[in-house]
Amino acid sequence: KQEVTQIPAALSVPEGENLVLNCSFTDSAIYNLQWFRQDPGKGLTSLLLIQSSQREQTSGRLNASLDKSSGRSTLYIAASQPGDSATYLCAVRRGSSNTGKLIFGQGTTLQVKP
Amino acid sequence: GAVVSQHPSWVICKSGTSVKIECRSLDFQATTMFWYRQFPKQSLMLMATSNEGSKATYEQGVEKDKFLINHASLTLSTLTVTSAHPEDSSFYICSARDPQESPWDSPLHFGNGTRLTVT
Repeated sequence: KQEVTQIPAALSVPEGENLVLNCSFTDSAIYNLQWFRQDPGKGLTSLLLIQSSQREQTSGRLNASLDKSSGRSTLYIAASQPGDSATYLCAVRRGSSNTGKLIFGQGTTLQVKP
Repeated sequence: GAVVSQHPSWVICKSGTSVKIECRSLDFQATTMFWYRQFPKQSLMLMATSNEGSKATYEQGVEKDKFLINHASLTLSTLTVTSAHPEDSSFYICSARDPQESPWDSPLHFGNGTRLTVT
């Protein structure tokens, strides 16, 4: 059974810091991994999607890495801003296609203080 | 980009009543939509996969007679929580994939969710 764990559960940093959010999964047989952002009481916004054959993806100040063999992914946020405050969720897609089930972690709630 | 709209954004109902939540794909047609539930401080759990023109596929442990899903058109799926009880209070989110995007790496697009409170 695939389990996804995110550490830490919560993180508070001063504005401007670089930070890393961690995601681990127990079954390396994944199709892809996706990082989402969720603002309080809102839905999810897709940030980055990494295919199982890829090592990393970058978008602006965000960089996500994937080490499938060790079952780990990290989301790196550079020069954090108060607007980055949100809950960040990682999710892995099982199986061999983009139609497999998404398994979510519990999220890391980030607070960036001005 | 692809937009998924959910309505209502929040609803309060009395125990024993039924509540309908709508999920619409605004600028694309979605043959498949997904319904998730999220309890406070917990992650999203897939409840069911909604298929246009056919029966929904429910995840283990989800009561299909309690959570009725209707996907009557390519842009609308509805989730009806029947005979709601306080333990059904949760955040319900739908999602869909735009078939026009790459079939290999297109992300899921999520609605803004519906906060259900059953009193």
